Amino acid sequence: NAGVMQNPRHLVRRRGQEARLRCSPMKGHSHVYWYRQLPEEGLKFMVYLQKENIIDESGMPKERFSAEFPKEGPSILRIQQVVRGDSAAYFCASSPPVQGRAKNIQYFGAGTRLSVL
Amino acid sequence: AQRVTQPEKLLSVFKGAPVELKCNYSYSGSPELFWYVQYSRQRLQLLLRHISRESIKGFTADLNKGETSFHLKKPFAQEEDSAMYYCALRAIQGAQKLVFGQGTRLTINP
Repeated sequence: NAGVMQNPRHLVRRRGQEARLRCSPMKGHSHVYWYRQLPEEGLKFMVYLQKENIIDESGMPKERFSAEFPKEGPSILRIQQVVRGDSAAYFCASSPPVQGRAKNIQYFGAGTRLSVL
Repeated sequence: AQRVTQPEKLLSVFKGAPVELKCNYSYSGSPELFWYVQYSRQRLQLLLRHISRESIKGFTADLNKGETSFHLKKPFAQEEDSAMYYCALRAIQGAQKLVFGQGTRLTINP
C-alpha cells in the first residue's frame, strides 16, 4: 500500500493564478481530509469529504477555496486567484469507512507546499 | 470550541535523559487524544492514541481529565527521537476532524 499520495510536492503560483492540489487516499479508504499548515503554526482542518460528498467544510475559507472527491480519481483542493497569504503546506489525510460509531485513524500524505509569488 | 496547546515550541534534552512534551486541551465534551510525530523528511504519522493505552518506541501518554492534559513522556531519550511532535484532539461524539497543537520540536543532543 503506497500510502496517501499527494501531488505536486511543491507548487509555485503567481498571484491571481489557480492552484490545484491532488490527493489519492490509501487503498480501501473512502474518507479524505484536508489540512493547512501556515508557517510556525499547527495543522488546521479545512474540509472532510467522502466519495462525491462534502461532509464538513467548517474550516474552508468562504471564498476562492473549493474541494471535491469524485467517484473516480483523486480528491482535489482548488484555490482560485491565489494570494500571498495562501502560501502554506497543505496536507491530505485519509481513513477507512467508519464502522458504526467507531472512528478511525487518519493517515497523512507528505503534503504539498504552495508558494505564491 | 476545541483547542490544543503545546506550550513549548522547542525542547532540547540530552541523550539518556527523561523527556516530557506537554499538551493541554480545552473541550467541553469527551475527547479523543493523539500524538503525531514527523521525523525529518518524512510524513506525519500517528505515534499514540489515548484509547489504546500502549507504549510506542518507549513513549507513553496518559489522559488526565482533571488537568485536561495529555503529556507525552519517555524515560530515556534517544537521538532518533529528534522530530516534530504534534498533540491532537478529536471529539468522541460528532466531528471527525482533528484539532492540532502548534507542535514541539524535540532535539536530542548526543
